[in-house]
Amino acid sequence: GQNIDQPTEMTATEGAIVQINCTYQTSGFNGLFWYQQHAGEAPTFLSYNVLDGLEEKGRFSSFLSRSKGYSYLLLKELQMKDSASYLCAAMDSNYQLIWGAGTKLIIKP
Amino acid sequence: IAGITQAPTSQILAAGRRMTLRCTQDMRHNAMYWYRQDLGLGLRLIHYSNTAGTTGKGEVPDGYSVSRANTDDFPLTLASAVPSQTSVYFCASSEREVAGKGEQFFGPGTRLTVL
Repeated sequence: GQNIDQPTEMTATEGAIVQINCTYQTSGFNGLFWYQQHAGEAPTFLSYNVLDGLEEKGRFSSFLSRSKGYSYLLLKELQMKDSASYLCAAMDSNYQLIWGAGTKLIIKP
Repeated sequence: IAGITQAPTSQILAAGRRMTLRCTQDMRHNAMYWYRQDLGLGLRLIHYSNTAGTTGKGEVPDGYSVSRANTDDFPLTLASAVPSQTSVYFCASSEREVAGKGEQFFGPGTRLTVL
């Protein structure tokens, strides 16, 4: 079956760095997405990886290892506004997204 | 309109009633999707449409129907609502590509409560 695993909740301190891990199993693979979702709002796109390696975009970076079925999202210089849920999603062979349940990130001052 | 809009924002519905959730996008995206999001679960795909005139079933299609008469609109209908359909419903669209990232853009969601 198809499955995405990510931690349910993480806590970090303002100004610090946090890494949110995601493992996936899908029928075929056409890329790995990370979305941010603030409480009561819609998900918004953060990053996309289809090749192995690290993609950096400002304070956010995303890493992919296709052989391990593994990705992480790295958030640097954490700000209070980064408190949100972070959703990992893998695109399968039918170009459909398989979603994880999301990681709730709590930022403390 | 900018992006994707959904209506209504929220709704309380009696069980057994019929309800249509509306979704409109102005980005000329060819693919559209309906998801439900429940606490502790990931987004689950209900139905999708890869292009106007075609639709497909997702992971949890039972009790729901969709139509795609044109590029912009993708309504979701609950024929006879049941309490288990209480959820937040998100519509999304993407420029579906055979080889590309296919980023999905989401509407603001409809919070539906079935009593």
